[in-house]
Amino acid sequence: KAGVTQTPRYLIKTRGQQVTLSCSPISGHRSVSWYQQTPGQGLQFLFEYFSETQRNKGNFPGRFSGRQFSNSRSEMNVSTLELGDSALYLCASSFGRNTEAFFGQGTRLTVV
Amino acid sequence: KNEVEQSPQNLTAQEGEFITINCSYSVGISALHWLQQHPGGGIVSLFMLSSGKKKHGRLIATINIQEKHSSLHITASHPRDSAVYICAVRWDYGGSQGNLIFGKGTKLSVKP
Repeated sequence: KAGVTQTPRYLIKTRGQQVTLSCSPISGHRSVSWYQQTPGQGLQFLFEYFSETQRNKGNFPGRFSGRQFSNSRSEMNVSTLELGDSALYLCASSFGRNTEAFFGQGTRLTVV
Repeated sequence: KNEVEQSPQNLTAQEGEFITINCSYSVGISALHWLQQHPGGGIVSLFMLSSGKKKHGRLIATINIQEKHSSLHITASHPRDSAVYICAVRWDYGGSQGNLIFGKGTKLSVKP
């Protein structure tokens, strides 16, 4: 069974640009969540999607957005990038909310 | 004060030692997760528990819902156990479940 796949693995962008990150969940999983990890703040919740509906959103500015497609694949977009957006972005998929979460390897975004 | 507190922040042990990592939380929860993160970023889910105790190989996780406390134990530690261990809780308020909230992590280094 294939794991959670995140693409790309690494990205370098300049301030002001926008970026789209992709997450393909484990087959059969309908729940996808996104997290940001930085050395200073640790892991923080961004969004949670279930069957194409956003169920929860973390305390991030509107520049951060996401969506989920009918095949459960999810994307997150960050517009007008700032230096502080440099982080490891992780997605996790699960069958339901209170089931085990499986994490992808993450996308490491560097904003210069 | 963080809603999820882990201790210790850093832990160095000799191979073979028994290790305990603690997690305390201040919110109502529906489940608690223990995660392992190796250098490079990938996160592996070790346990998800809502009561009692779970064991997998040399790892044991316990939770005391009344005291809002969980422990992760590693028996006969090995250098390959060196990683960051993260406690995360899914908050539950009046039956309405929210997102995962993470502790800052415990960095474990096991010396041969």
